[in-house]
Amino acid sequence: EAAVTQSPRNKVAVTGGKVTLSCNQTNNHNNMYWYRQDTGHGLRLIHYSYGAGSTEKGDIPDGYKASRPSQENFSLILELATPSQTSVYFCASGGRDINERLFFGHGTKLSVL
Amino acid sequence: GEKVEQHESTLSVREGDSAVINCTYTDTASSYFPWYKQEAGKSLHFVIDIRSNVDRKQSQRLTVLLDKKAKRFSLHITATQPEDSAIYFCAASGTGGYKVVFGSGTRLLVSP
Repeated sequence: EAAVTQSPRNKVAVTGGKVTLSCNQTNNHNNMYWYRQDTGHGLRLIHYSYGAGSTEKGDIPDGYKASRPSQENFSLILELATPSQTSVYFCASGGRDINERLFFGHGTKLSVL
Repeated sequence: GEKVEQHESTLSVREGDSAVINCTYTDTASSYFPWYKQEAGKSLHFVIDIRSNVDRKQSQRLTVLLDKKAKRFSLHITATQPEDSAIYFCAASGTGGYKVVFGSGTRLLVSP
């Protein structure tokens, strides 16, 4: 079974602080994604990547950066965290073909105080 | 860009009844329509999908129907069980690029 691991599982941050969410996949998938889940909005795409060294903006990229240093790792960076970024963040990976299922990590619950 | 609308935010059924969750999409170029299930406090996992070259796909108690003309697809669950209780997300992709667009989710409650 494909594996996507996120860290940390829970994070409490202060407003204005820097937060880094990490994601590692052992599926050798080209595509990786960061989503946030909020009640009433479902899953919204923040950033995605189609391979090492690439990052692309999703639908709600403002306030977030992403980094894909290797095939396995994809990070989401909040340089100046704000309370509106309190959410649950999911990382997912998928094969080269966009029309295949995604594999999700367990999620990171982030609270910005 | 593609937008996926999931019409039922919550759905309550009795155990043994059928449940139907409906989604619509906007981009006629979308060709792949997966469904994901999220149980309470857990992550999402894939349950079933359908591609645009067919209009029906069944896997055990789950059936997905696709109406390309109406840009609508639906998940049918028969003989529901309490363990079917979860949030179900529909999604669409295939417009080019690498984006998968999700609906807002439907919370299905199956009561004994």
